[in-house]
Amino acid sequence: AQKITQTQPGMFVQEKEAVTLDCTYDTSDPSYGLFWYKQPSSGEMIFLIYQGSYDQQNATEGRYSLNFQKARKSANLVISASQLGDSAMYFCAMREGDSGAGSYQLTFGKGTKLSVIP
Amino acid sequence: SQTIHQWPATLVQPVGSPLSLECTVEGTSNPNLYWYRQAAGRGLQLLFYSVGIGQISSEVPQNLSASRPQDRQFILSSKKLLLSDSGFYLCAWEPGAINEQFFGPGTRLTVL
Repeated sequence: AQKITQTQPGMFVQEKEAVTLDCTYDTSDPSYGLFWYKQPSSGEMIFLIYQGSYDQQNATEGRYSLNFQKARKSANLVISASQLGDSAMYFCAMREGDSGAGSYQLTFGKGTKLSVIP
Repeated sequence: SQTIHQWPATLVQPVGSPLSLECTVEGTSNPNLYWYRQAAGRGLQLLFYSVGIGQISSEVPQNLSASRPQDRQFILSSKKLLLSDSGFYLCAWEPGAINEQFFGPGTRLTVL
C-alpha cells in the first residue's frame, strides 16, 4: 500500500484565490513528520512546510498552511492568495519515527501539478 | 548560510559508460546526505543516504553506488549505465538531528 497518496494529478486555481492540495498518509508509527515540497519547472525541490505528529497546532509558513487531521490521516496543503509563481509540482512526504532514532527515508507522494490562471 | 551544489547540471551518456555525479554542501558540518532519483512525472525515490564520512546506506539495489570521501561531499557513481538510469538526480542534506531536507538544483541524466 502507498504510504503517501496525492489524489489530484493536476489542479487549477485563479490568481489571488486559495487552493487546497490533498495528501493522505498511512503509518502505524505514532511518531512521524509530514512535509510539503514545491518543485518548479527548474527541478529544484523547495521545502515549504513541516508538521510533526505530536504538534498540537497546524503549521503555517507565510501563505502556506497545513490542514492536519490526524484521525483522518490527512495533511492537506493550503495556499492562500495564489500567485502566478505558485505554478509548480507539489509533493507531500512523510518520515516515520522519532527525531534522532527514526527512519532516514522521506517517502514522497506522486505529486500534484498546480497551475495558477491569471 | 548553507548552500548545496550539484554538478553537472545536465549529462547525456551512452549506455555502458561510467557515471560520476558530485554533491557538495557549504556552511554546515556533519550533515546527513541523500541521493534521490526522480523518473519523469514521478515522485522521488531514495537511493542512498550517509550519516558520516565513509558511511553509506543503500535503499534500492541497483548498478549505482555512492561514496562520501569528505564530510560535505557526496558522490554518486556507476561503472556501466543502463537506459533505466535516466532521470533527475537530486542531492539533499539535513542537520544531524533529523529535520527537513534541503535539496540541491539536481542533475538531469539522459542515457542513450
